[in-house]
Amino acid sequence: KAGVTQTPRYLIKTRGQQVTLSCSPISGHRSVSWYQQTPGQGLQFLFEYFSETQRNKGNFPGRFSGRQFSNSRSEMNVSTLELGDSALYLCASRRGAGTEAFFGQGTRLTVV
Amino acid sequence: DQQVKQNSPSLSVQEGRISILNCDYTNSMFDYFLWYKKYPAEGPTFLISISSIKDKNEDGRFTVFLNKSAKHLSLHIVPSQPGDSAVYFCAASEWQAGTALIFGKGTTLSVSS
Repeated sequence: KAGVTQTPRYLIKTRGQQVTLSCSPISGHRSVSWYQQTPGQGLQFLFEYFSETQRNKGNFPGRFSGRQFSNSRSEMNVSTLELGDSALYLCASRRGAGTEAFFGQGTRLTVV
Repeated sequence: DQQVKQNSPSLSVQEGRISILNCDYTNSMFDYFLWYKKYPAEGPTFLISISSIKDKNEDGRFTVFLNKSAKHLSLHIVPSQPGDSAVYFCAASEWQAGTALIFGKGTTLSVSS
């Protein structure tokens, strides 16, 4: 059974640009969540999608957005990149509430 | 406002001994708790979970204890092995309400041989 796949693995962008990250969940999983990990901050929740609808949202500015497609694949977009957006972005899928989430290997974004 | 707190950034243990990682939460609506393990440059890996109707759950060397009155949970690893050296994250959610998993900042466990 294939795991959660995130692309690309590494990305370097310039301040002010925008970026789109992609996540393919485990087959059969309808929930996709996104997290940002920075040193010392743990995993900060960005948003969660379930059946193409945003179900939960963390405390991040509107520059961070996402969407989910009918095949459960999800994309995350960050506009007007700032240096502080440099982080490991992790995607997780789960079958539903009350079940464990499975993570991808993440996309390492560096903003210069 | 941090709803899930792991107050010990690091823990060092000798091989064969018990490792105890702690986690506190503030949201009394949380009813589902999980522990994850993470190596550098990889995504977190699920270890063990517990629902609020239980106070203990075991899986091999890993046991999670939940104290609802104290809003505290702990992960016990017995015996600890060098391969257990990683960052451990505690997570919680409101299962009934279908909220997302909220994570603590992690504890780095180092097991020396």
